[in-house]
Amino acid sequence: NAGVMQNPRHLVRRRGQEARLRCSPMKGHSHVYWYRQLPEEGLKFMVYLQKENIIDESGMPKERFSAEFPKEGPSILRIQQVVRGDSAAYFCASSPGRENYGYTFGSGTRLTVV
Amino acid sequence: GESVGLHLPTLSVQEGDNSIINCAYSNSASDYFIWYKQESGKGPQFIIDIRSNMDKRQGQRVTVLLNKTVKHLSLQIAATQPGDSAVYFCAETYTGANSKLTFGKGITLSVRP
Repeated sequence: NAGVMQNPRHLVRRRGQEARLRCSPMKGHSHVYWYRQLPEEGLKFMVYLQKENIIDESGMPKERFSAEFPKEGPSILRIQQVVRGDSAAYFCASSPGRENYGYTFGSGTRLTVV
Repeated sequence: GESVGLHLPTLSVQEGDNSIINCAYSNSASDYFIWYKQESGKGPQFIIDIRSNMDKRQGQRVTVLLNKTVKHLSLQIAATQPGDSAVYFCAETYTGANSKLTFGKGITLSVRP
């Protein structure tokens, strides 16, 4: 079992470009969570998705950010028109069920906006 | 707003000593708590968890203590090793939160050889 796979590991974007972060959950897991971590901070919840559905997006900024988890393929976190403040580590986690708390995190994508 | 926080930003211990990392939480509805370890460049790694109907839980070299009266959580690491050097986070959630975790800011544990 390869675990939660995120790519790319590092992503550099210029201000105004789009960033696409991908997350492949563990085999058999249909629930995905995205978190953002600013330098020297704890992780902040962004969005929770189940296959083809957004369950909870209360932590995701209303503008420029979107997430999807299609029937086939990885979950995608998209950030449009990136700004310097978007620079952070973005982590994905997956679980087999809705109330399964000890979920597994991926190694993250470090986004740098220049 | 509700938050989870840690008392100290860094902790330095001698190899072989026991480490105690403390965490305060403020959401009285929280009923599940987790400790994570994060090494440089990696994602958080699950260490141990505890539900609110317990006050102590032991794992391999680690113990988590929960004091609901004062909303305090601690992680004890026995015989600390160099490989324990990392940032430690406490996280909390509650039934019905869809497993959404609230993390504290983290404390760095540094083990001196």
